[in-house]
Amino acid sequence: AQSVTQLDSQVPVFEEAPVELRCNYSSSVSVYLFWYVQYPNQGLQLLLKYLSGSTLVESINGFEAEFNKSQTSFHLRKPSVHISDTAEYFCAVISGGYNKLIFGAGTRLAVHP
Amino acid sequence: GAGVSQSPSNKVTEKGKDVELRCDPISGHTALYWYRQSLGQGLEFLIYFQGNSAPDKSGLPSDRFSAERTGGSVSTLTIQRTQQEDSAVYLCASSLEGASQETQYFGPGTRLLVL
Repeated sequence: AQSVTQLDSQVPVFEEAPVELRCNYSSSVSVYLFWYVQYPNQGLQLLLKYLSGSTLVESINGFEAEFNKSQTSFHLRKPSVHISDTAEYFCAVISGGYNKLIFGAGTRLAVHP
Repeated sequence: GAGVSQSPSNKVTEKGKDVELRCDPISGHTALYWYRQSLGQGLEFLIYFQGNSAPDKSGLPSDRFSAERTGGSVSTLTIQRTQQEDSAVYLCASSLEGASQETQYFGPGTRLLVL
């Protein structure tokens, strides 16, 4: 069965510092990869997704993630974080032909001034 | 346009009572999903609907849990004889056609507390 591992449950960081949130998934023939974000007291929102093609995908608010097939990873990065990026971030995977998202345990990003 | 809506936003019930949770998907979305978010288990899939049919019910934790969808739109998740371990946030999501690569759009959730 598919599984997703988010290696860090909490990541504290100062404003304007770079951040990397790590995600590894169990290997499968074909997968689609997603990062969702949950801001305090809000629902889950899609941040970005990898379907095929370029291994580097970007979001509109400066986050990017790189699909690495050999390392089965899909780490999320941002070169300079803002206070408003404070949220919980979930990595998720779907195997081709299936419909259910398999989520990691989540990483709580806390940005401090 | 309107997103996925869920009601109630919060529900407190006593152990042993039945509860119904409602989901209104985005208009035109044929696929609907229920997930559960709890402290101990994280985010876990419960059931997937394509139209009014449920081809994947593999995540329902016990036979106390059931769900239906009518008119290809609204869905109701019913939990019978609630237990304290059912306390969680129940999330509904919808997508256009149910293809694997589609974005699933989530509602705000229903926070269920079983006393």
